[in-house]
Amino acid sequence: DVKVTQSSRYLVKRTGEKVFLECVQDMDHENMFWYRQDPGLGLRLIYFSYDVKMKEKGDIPEGYSVSREKKERFSLILESASTNQTSMYLCATAETGTNYGYTFGSGTRLTVV
Amino acid sequence: RKEVEQDPGPFNVPEGATVAFNCTYSNSASQSFFWYRQDCRKEPKLLMSVYSSGNEDGRFTAQLNRASQYISLLIRDSKLSDSATYLCVVSKYNNNDMRFGAGTRLTVKP
Repeated sequence: DVKVTQSSRYLVKRTGEKVFLECVQDMDHENMFWYRQDPGLGLRLIYFSYDVKMKEKGDIPEGYSVSREKKERFSLILESASTNQTSMYLCATAETGTNYGYTFGSGTRLTVV
Repeated sequence: RKEVEQDPGPFNVPEGATVAFNCTYSNSASQSFFWYRQDCRKEPKLLMSVYSSGNEDGRFTAQLNRASQYISLLIRDSKLSDSATYLCVVSKYNNNDMRFGAGTRLTVKP
């Protein structure tokens, strides 16, 4: 089974802090994604990456950046955390050219105070 | 208009009931379709892919209607353990452009 590990389950940060969310996968999947999930809005794509050092903006990239220096690791960075970034953050991976869907990490519930 | 729309529910049904969810999508170029299940405070997990001819997995049946741009999920003989939020997912390309519905919440009661 693909395992997708997110570094923290719960995180509390202060407004203005720089926040790093880490995601590591143990399979050789090319594609990695960062979503946030909010009640009533569903999952919204922040950024995705289809290869090392490659990144593409999703639907809501403002206030976020990403880093993919190694194939297995995809990091989401909140440059200056704000209260409207309080959310559940989900990392996902997928293999290119298949119809197997995504595999998600267990999520990080971030609260910005 | 949202790309993927679902009735948020909640659907409250007794054990043993049959329940169906529909999901509509706006992009006619969509190619791949999925149902995910998400338990409270957990990550979404793939329940089943949806194929053009329709497909069944035990008590679960998924159907696709391309002409009307909707997919459906039917659950027969509901179990308490089926209580969860069901997410409809639609993709234009292979795995790089998946769009999620906001989910339909199901509660199965004894």
